[in-house]
Amino acid sequence: KAGVTQTPRYLIKTRGQQVTLSCSPISGHRSVSWYQQTPGQGLQFLFEYFSETQRNKGNFPGRFSGRQFSNSRSEMNVSTLELGDSALYLCASSLVQQGGNTIYFGEGSWLTVV
Amino acid sequence: QQQVKQSPQSLIVQKGGISIINCAYENTAFDYFPWYQQFPGKGPALLIAIRPDVSEKKEGRFTISFNKSAKQFSLHIMDSQPGDSATYFCAARAGANNLFFGTGTRLTVIP
Repeated sequence: KAGVTQTPRYLIKTRGQQVTLSCSPISGHRSVSWYQQTPGQGLQFLFEYFSETQRNKGNFPGRFSGRQFSNSRSEMNVSTLELGDSALYLCASSLVQQGGNTIYFGEGSWLTVV
Repeated sequence: QQQVKQSPQSLIVQKGGISIINCAYENTAFDYFPWYQQFPGKGPALLIAIRPDVSEKKEGRFTISFNKSAKQFSLHIMDSQPGDSATYFCAARAGANNLFFGTGTRLTVIP
């Protein structure tokens, strides 16, 4: 069974640009969540989607947005990139929305903003 | 405000020794406590997890001890091996799939 797949794995963007990251959850998983990992702030929750609806949102500015498609695949977008957005962006999927489920992470997308 | 506090920040253990990492939390709404292992350049991989109605869970060389009244939980790695050298994160979830992570412990196992 394939794991959580994230693309692209590495990318470099210029300050002010926007970026879109993609995530394909484990087959059958309907909940997808996104996390940002930086050396300074650690792992922080961005948002969670279930059945194409955003269910939870972390404490990030509106420049960070996401969506989920009918096949459970998800994308996150960061607009007007800042140097501080350089991070590893992790996607995680789980079988059900809450309770009694295990959360699996992908390998992440490394974003560097220059 | 760090919802899950993790210690130590780094840990050096001899091969064959026991590695112990501790975490503490305040939010009694947390209902699921996983531990993740992360190697450089990789995403976090689920190691073992426990629910608050269980005091201990063991999977191979990895054991979680959970103290609900003290709001603390810990990871014990028995017979630590050089291949266990990685960063370990404890986490806690409050209902939905929103995990609050500890700050991580960098474990080094010396041969």
